[in-house]
Amino acid sequence: EAGVTQFPSHSVIEKGQTVTLRCDPISGHDNLYWYRRVMGKEIKFLLHFVKESKQDESGMPNNRFLAERTGGTYSTLKVQPAELEDSGVYFCASSQAFLGGNTEAFFGQGTRLTVV
Amino acid sequence: AQKITQTQPGMFVQEKEAVTLDCTYDTSDQSYGLFWYKQPSSGEMIFLIYQGSYDEQNATEGRYSLNFQKARKSANLVISASQLGDSAMYFCAMRDGVGYNQGGKLIFGQGTELSVKP
Repeated sequence: EAGVTQFPSHSVIEKGQTVTLRCDPISGHDNLYWYRRVMGKEIKFLLHFVKESKQDESGMPNNRFLAERTGGTYSTLKVQPAELEDSGVYFCASSQAFLGGNTEAFFGQGTRLTVV
Repeated sequence: AQKITQTQPGMFVQEKEAVTLDCTYDTSDQSYGLFWYKQPSSGEMIFLIYQGSYDEQNATEGRYSLNFQKARKSANLVISASQLGDSAMYFCAMRDGVGYNQGGKLIFGQGTELSVKP
């Protein structure tokens, strides 16, 4: 079974440009999460989808970030326009619907975004 | 607010020895889950071990064990018989919310960089 897949693995863009990150979760996983790790800091939650609906977007830093999950399958995270402080590693994770706490979140390998 | 604290930015351990990575947490919830993830230099996040707040026994997964001390709000990871391949960044995390699709986001600590010496 394929794991969580993220595209691209690396992206270098100039300040002011637009970048779109993609995440393909594990098939059948209703929950999809986006996280970000800025250099040297902890991994921060961005938002949570349940199927195609945004369950929690409290971690989105500002309106330059737009996440979608059309049809409840893959998700995209668009940064427009990109700023220098957006540089970091963006992780996607997915998990099955759960009733208890012990539901592992499977992570992708991340997209390393560098804004110059 | 929930918070995870990892006070060891970096740790060294000799190959074949055991090492403990510290993690303390802060929450007012009675029901929560604690996780450890490993991030090697290749970048992926690998799930290691889970401990539920109501679990009476410490979780174990092969060479990994979680020393759960609820009263102290600590969830230290113990790696026995360290191997060179254990060199990586280790993150402690707490699950926010345990109801059906009510939450589930993870709150991470700052991470500990473990280096295993031959």
